[in-house]
Parts: sequence; structure tokens; C-alpha cells
Amino acid sequence: EVQLVESGGGLVKPGGSLRLSCAVSGFTFSDYCMNWVRQAPGKGLEWVSSISYRSGSFTYYAASVKGRFTISRDNAKNAVVLQMKSLRVEDTAVYYCARGAGSYYRGDSWGQGALVTVSS
Amino acid sequence: SYVLTQPPSVSVAPGKTARITCGGNNIESKNVHWYQQKPGQAPVLVVYDDRDRPSGIPERFSGSNSGNTATLTISRVEAGDEADYYCQVWDSGSDHPWVFGGGTKLTVL
Repeated sequence: EVQLVESGGGLVKPGGSLRLSCAVSGFTFSDYCMNWVRQAPGKGLEWVSSISYRSGSFTYYAASVKGRFTISRDNAKNAVVLQMKSLRVEDTAVYYCARGAGSYYRGDSWGQGALVTVSS
Repeated sequence: SYVLTQPPSVSVAPGKTARITCGGNNIESKNVHWYQQKPGQAPVLVVYDDRDRPSGIPERFSGSNSGNTATLTISRVEAGDEADYYCQVWDSGSDHPWVFGGGTKLTVL
């Protein structure tokens, strides 16, 4: 069974840092690109970041987080990490990790989400 | 970056057919995926690559894509179909590869 489990969410002050992790199981992790998607309270889905399969040589970021967030993967630990710094109030959201499958990278499996709250 | 436009809301009576649109420039050249999200839950893929269904998704869910509009069609709508629905494409060659529509709230009357 494919499983994705996020961890590391919590309350942080503006300007602070947080590290989200997504542990996966049930599939060959290195064969898939991985993605982070967030959802602010009462809002729609917003793509945050993606990392390519295998070595993760290619990374992509939404303009709203570029330069502040870093995505990485550890194929030995079957985990993808989102390091977040210089957090802003507007980064408050539930953060989901999602597997990208197929030639057009559909999000076929998602974690349950991790809540990040940025507030003073 | 590529933009996808969805109506904020669609209402339908039980047993009828709901159609949720997703507009984008020449969207027919892209493969569209659709997600269902119920309150407090993670999104679930219901249609991918325009018209394919993941295992476990009822045949009542179908998709199409032509011109500048992709459509998710839900036949014989049930109360349990009430949810938010999002379209998404992979914008290859872009530095913003995953693009989501704004979402449509489906209300079952």
C-alpha cells in the first residue's frame, strides 16, 4: 500500500524556520518525482515545489517561496524534505506532499497534510 | 505561467449530471487531471490524462478536453459527491510545472 506521511508542522513566528518531512512507503521512491502543495485556510490548492526523480537533480519552486524554501530528497531514507525559512504569515497553510506519477505527473497519492502556522 | 480558470461553484440535484469546467489557453494540448477534496481531507485523484480513471473511482466520473476547455462530468450525482474539485496540468518546460485551477465547490441540492 502506498503511504505518504508528513511531519514537522507546527507554530512558528514570522521570520522563523521549519522543516517538513514526508516519509513514503509502498513504492520505489526513487522512481517518482515528488511535490509539495499547500492550502491556506479556506483557500484552494497552491503548488509549492517539485523535485525530479532519481537523484533529484531538478527542483522547481513557486515564485512565492523561491529563495526561502528548499526541497530535497533522500532516496536511502525514502523521504522528501521541505526546508522553510524566513516564514511569513501568508505561509500559514496545510502542506501536503504528493507523488507525481505518469508522463504528465498526476498527483496519484497524497499525504494527510501537515499544518504550518506562522504567527507572532 | 499557465493559468487555469474554474467556476467557483456548481449546483446539481441528486441523480442529475454535473459538469465542471476548466479553462486554459489551448488546454487541449495538455493532459488534465482532476481532484476531489472533501472538508478536512487530502485531495483524491478522480480523473487523469483528460479521461482516465484511477482504480476505485466510479464510472460516473468522466472527463473530456477540447479547445480551451476541459470538463469533468459526474453522472447520477450522489450526496457524497459534494466536495471541492480542482483541475491541474503539468506545464512542461515551465519553471512552474504544477498548475491548479482555483477550484469549484460542487453542491448537491
